[in-house]
Amino acid sequence: DIQMTQSPSFLSASVGDRVTIACRASQGISGHLNWYQQKPGKAPKLLIYAASNLEGGVPSRFSGSGSGTDFTLTISTLQPEDFATYYCQQTYSSPPEITFGQGTKLEVK
Amino acid sequence: QVQLVESGGGVVQPGRSLRLSCAASGFNFGFYGMHWVRQAPGKGLEWVAVIWYDGSQQYYADSVKGRFTISRDTSKNTVFLEMNSLRAEDTAVYYCARVKYSSYWSYFDYWGQGTLVTVSS
Repeated sequence: DIQMTQSPSFLSASVGDRVTIACRASQGISGHLNWYQQKPGKAPKLLIYAASNLEGGVPSRFSGSGSGTDFTLTISTLQPEDFATYYCQQTYSSPPEITFGQGTKLEVK
Repeated sequence: QVQLVESGGGVVQPGRSLRLSCAASGFNFGFYGMHWVRQAPGKGLEWVAVIWYDGSQQYYADSVKGRFTISRDTSKNTVFLEMNSLRAEDTAVYYCARVKYSSYWSYFDYWGQGTLVTVSS
């Protein structure tokens, strides 16, 4: 199984901050890495696919980078609606054995 | 617009069975693979199962293999998750999600709202 490890697990920040969340895969996954945002009581929402591609309708302050084993999600200027939990997901395994990171909870400082 | 609506959750005793449904609308259901993902209370996301767009292949997480079965009925635009021999650790919100392929990348572009399954005596 490919293990996904996010860091940090908890992050405190203020509106206007630049925030970076890291995700590391236990083996190379090329660019098969997606990022999701989840708010309490809601389903996850796709933000970034294939490591760096912004999903339609997602604000441009979100960006993703990385390849192989190390990936990052960056929020350039934090907005009030961005406080949520963020998950990375690998879709590299074949046959499919999709795994998620443990999540990063972004909280108000 | 694309909609995925789960149903069938509830409280069930350990060892019993439950069948979840996910009704799809707003897209050509027969063109898309479908997944189930679950989230235990206060925990992270766990992938459960996938079924190919044509129903020809299914794959499962080790934690549910041999107990859960994913299926689909294209005539009803619905994907199912049959859950047998339920355990307390199966307690979770269960989401269905559509998988989209772009070149050779894949990702879950639409999710349902989830249905809660509670396994308790």
